[in-house]
Amino acid sequence: NAGVTQTPKFQVLKTGQSMTLQCAQDMNHNSMYWYRQDPGMGLRLIYYSASEGTTDKGEVPNGYNVSRLNKREFSLRLESAAPSQTSVYFCASRDRASSGANVLTFGAGSRLTVL
Amino acid sequence: AQSVTQLDSHVSVSEGTPVLLRCNYSSSYSPSLFWYVQHPNKGLQLLLKYTSAATLVKGINGFEAEFKKSETSFHLTKPSAHMSDAAEYFCVVSDWNNAGNMLTFGGGTRLMVKP
Repeated sequence: NAGVTQTPKFQVLKTGQSMTLQCAQDMNHNSMYWYRQDPGMGLRLIYYSASEGTTDKGEVPNGYNVSRLNKREFSLRLESAAPSQTSVYFCASRDRASSGANVLTFGAGSRLTVL
Repeated sequence: AQSVTQLDSHVSVSEGTPVLLRCNYSSSYSPSLFWYVQHPNKGLQLLLKYTSAATLVKGINGFEAEFKKSETSFHLTKPSAHMSDAAEYFCVVSDWNNAGNMLTFGGGTRLMVKP
């Protein structure tokens, strides 16, 4: 049981380049999330998808776009990367219907550096 | 609005001594509260959760936390630290809403365990 899988694990970009972070979960969860983690700031929500076909902005959405491709997959796109987007990105999913409601399952993270 | 304050960014203890990681929260509703642990270069893993049942919550690896509404606190404790407990710990508060997106992370506490 793989849980939440993120790719790539590491990426270095130049300012202005674009890239997409991929996330897939095999737990049949309804909700999926993208967070960024910066030192001393905990995790901040970028975008989330409460269910297939819906996406909403979180706390720090500027400079990002997302796609909920199907129930399993939720991708995060940087159209024109900036050094301020250097961070560790985490994808997470949650099953709202179960007794574990509000418990997130996290991927291992994607470390992005923008030069 | 909800918020979480982890009162110490770094805590250092000797192996075999007690651990105390402090967390204060604010929430407009009856919150759910969580502690997550992140080992180096890993994703976040749930340690324990409080969801309005018993105020003393036991988690994995000997950790526990006590919900104190009067003090708006949810401190994490362990009687005896082990070297493998060295990690970063995040306190999280959740107000339920229909989208289920309202999870707010504290800034994290890095626990160091000395031999």
